[in-house]
Order: sequence, then structure tokens, then C-alpha cells
Amino acid sequence: ETGVTQTPRHLVMGMTNKKSLKCEQHLGHNAMYWYKQSAKKPLELMFVYSLEERVENNSVPSRFSPECPNSSHLFLHLHTLQPEDSALYLCASSQDRRETEAFFGQGTRLTVV
Amino acid sequence: AQSVTQLGSHVSVSEGALVLLRCNYSSSVPPYLFWYVQYPNQGLQLLLKYTTGATLVKGINGFEAEFKKSETSFHLTKPSAHMSDAAEYFCAVSRAGNNRKLIWGLGTSLAVNP
Repeated sequence: ETGVTQTPRHLVMGMTNKKSLKCEQHLGHNAMYWYKQSAKKPLELMFVYSLEERVENNSVPSRFSPECPNSSHLFLHLHTLQPEDSALYLCASSQDRRETEAFFGQGTRLTVV
Repeated sequence: AQSVTQLGSHVSVSEGALVLLRCNYSSSVPPYLFWYVQYPNQGLQLLLKYTTGATLVKGINGFEAEFKKSETSFHLTKPSAHMSDAAEYFCAVSRAGNNRKLIWGLGTSLAVNP
């Protein structure tokens, strides 16, 4: 498998649930990103990991908790979400934190009920 | 500060017609400019980018864009629309040089009618 793969593609969760989104990249990149894509809003960069260290956290609520165990995998742990957190969550990877050269996964469509 | 404005959240064209998607930017420093495409249920894919050099940039799938500094624009065009071009298109800007953070537009949804 090549590129950036995200699982699951769709997720429905209640506000009291705990779930995790997974991202895997097969491109040999050393930086990974989480984005939130909501209707009528610009794409929001949530977190950036470089060499498995979190280097950017853009004022994201603590109910979103990222984890990067190695340079190929990135997780987003979710707990006690709100309905307004429903969105498409995109993962991306690049070499050397060059966001402008990132490759994107297909996204996880999250619905919080 | 930088910003991006995409004029028209929805554009509809007939198959075979010219596609024109508008993007204007605001930047106090030389910009890098990008167009991305998002097909239904897919992630974002880079269509083309302008960094330096020739102001007319050619991308994938027959798209091109021209950087016009005097108009602060980077409009995306394609001479003849195909049904497969139906997608969401995003314009983005970043600072030239080492700061490579992207500032995104809201997107334009392109519909292609038979």
C-alpha cells in the first residue's frame, strides 16, 4: 500500500464515547499533520509532528489527544466530543515539515451525536 | 498577515466549457500560491503551485493558473471542462522562503453539467 491511509473512513460516536483515528504513511516522510475540515471554514491545522515530536498544537481542545509512536503512524484520540466537532479529519505527511509539500489521506468523516 | 479569498463558493459549467475559478490573496511578503483539488470522499491533492519564475503555471489534469502580482490574483483555468473535474477546489498561500505554513481559502465547489 502506498501514500497516506486513514482509518476508519467514517465514524459515528456519542458524546461520552472514546475513539481513535489512525493514520499511516508509506512515503518515508518524517512529519505528520492532523487537520480539521468543516463546512464554511478554512482548513484548520490542528497538530504537527516532526520526528515523532509534537512541534505544533494550534489551540486545540484537550478532548483531542494526538499520539505519534513512530514516523509512520499518527493517532488522534477522541473523548467527550461535542456535536460541533463533527467534521472531516484529514491526516497528511511531508518531508521536513514542509506543509506545502504534504500528501493527504482520504480523511475520516466524524459525526458526533 | 496573509489571507485568501475565493470568489464564488459554487461554480457550474457545461462539459466542454471553460473553467475559471477565482482566487485573490493578500500578502505583505512575496507569496507562494497553490491550488488543491478534493474529489468526493477523498483527501486533498496538489493541482499546481507557483513559487518563483514563470507566472503561468501548468498543473495536472489540464489545469493552469497565472500569478498576477498587480491584481493579487491566482485564478485557476481549464479550457474544456470534463465531468471528472467535478470537485472542491482550494486556493492556498504561504510565505516565500522557509516559513511554509499554508493559509487556506474556503473552497469552490465545481459542478460540471452534461
